[in-house]
Amino acid sequence: DGGITQSPKYLFRKEGQNVTLSCEQNLNHDAMYWYRQDPGQGLRLIYYSQIVNDFQKGDIAEGYSVSREKKESFPLTVTSAQKNPTAFYLCASSTTLNQPQHFGDGTRLSIL
Amino acid sequence: AQRVTQPEKLLSVFKGAPVELKCNYSYSGSPELFWYVQYSRQRLQLLLRHISRESIKGFTADLNKGETSFHLKKPFAQEEDSAMYYCALRDSGAGSYQLTFGKGTKLSVIP
Repeated sequence: DGGITQSPKYLFRKEGQNVTLSCEQNLNHDAMYWYRQDPGQGLRLIYYSQIVNDFQKGDIAEGYSVSREKKESFPLTVTSAQKNPTAFYLCASSTTLNQPQHFGDGTRLSIL
Repeated sequence: AQRVTQPEKLLSVFKGAPVELKCNYSYSGSPELFWYVQYSRQRLQLLLRHISRESIKGFTADLNKGETSFHLKKPFAQEEDSAMYYCALRDSGAGSYQLTFGKGTKLSVIP
């Protein structure tokens, strides 16, 4: 149904490698977000972006990096500095920061 | 720091029985509260927000500032209500607009 597309659905990487998760939206939303979800945990905010070329750290930004060069794209890089990267990652977007967020299907990252 | 607590990891009810999913929060400012739901093999989606004061799919939630609660209720549970439910809080006063989520409650409606 369009909206927010996260790819791939499953991602495997070797320890020590950086990996980039894709998030694209066609909703013309200004704000975008990345969350991490671990078993038995709620969603925790990694980074968010209010507008193109702007982004802010969330609660657990260490070991992650983002860019926002285009309105529709907000890729997340999980670096080798992230101590426990195996998790489920959710991307979201909203019209503006204070509007309800729409979520993607998520990417499950496993570090081998 | 703001915190959202959902005390039940799992809640099982029979079809037709009332449902109450508990959510308590700790926050000193002007919170906005939300309920998000994730049905099996579907995306996380907004169910309702307290400022709308609406009923979605038969669910309602009232913000009780005295008890710092935002419990989700439905008088008669349906099988299709089985899902994962997350309560979330947003700081609407400080300008950060960050959402803080609870750990979620899995609702299982028994036929």
